[in-house]
Amino acid sequence: GEDVEQSLFLSVREGDSSVINCTYTDSSSTYLYWYKQEPGAGLQLLTYIFSNMDMKQDQRLTVLLNKKDKHLSLRIADTQTGDSAIYFCAEMESGGYQKVTFGTGTKLQVIP
Amino acid sequence: EPEVTQTPSHQVTQMGQEVILRCVPISNHLYFYWYRQILGQKVEFLVSFYNNEISEKSEIFDDQFSVERPDGSNFTLKIRSTKLEDSAMYFCASSEGTGGSGNTIYFGEGSWLTVV
Repeated sequence: GEDVEQSLFLSVREGDSSVINCTYTDSSSTYLYWYKQEPGAGLQLLTYIFSNMDMKQDQRLTVLLNKKDKHLSLRIADTQTGDSAIYFCAEMESGGYQKVTFGTGTKLQVIP
Repeated sequence: EPEVTQTPSHQVTQMGQEVILRCVPISNHLYFYWYRQILGQKVEFLVSFYNNEISEKSEIFDDQFSVERPDGSNFTLKIRSTKLEDSAMYFCASSEGTGGSGNTIYFGEGSWLTVV
């Protein structure tokens, strides 16, 4: 079945850039997403990218997609303490009923 | 901005009892979902619902679980005869399903179920 993998933990200093990486196995994925989850809270959609795009930028967020390597990354510029959360990569399967498969989540710790 | 709302935010139930988790999806959305997240683990797909029927379900979604859209706005998940291992955060989600940005899935804040 589909699999989405992420590193478990990332620590950065406030003001630096954070890069969270994700790999997936389903070569026919149509959409890839980044969600943010703060402690005890729900899943907040941050951004998404369609599989025929290489890059998408939205304010401090930059998503890069390497479809050949099935690699997705999320760069957060000027990381703030409020960015501390778990970040989930997710991919939508093609040709189905819009089921999304989530990665393991990367816990981002921002050090003041 | 429209959002998916879920109730209750937290429910404690005794093992063996039935639980109903409620959701109000975003009003113009056509696809509805339930996902769950056991503490410290991945977010797992349970079921998707479209046109008043289940369109896909995972292995987790066995006969213990059922979903219903009892009226034009609510979408419910019923868990019968709850077990300790059903303790998890249950997320409802919805999407337009029209392609493009309409494939974006929006999640609610979750309902935290504790089975004791």
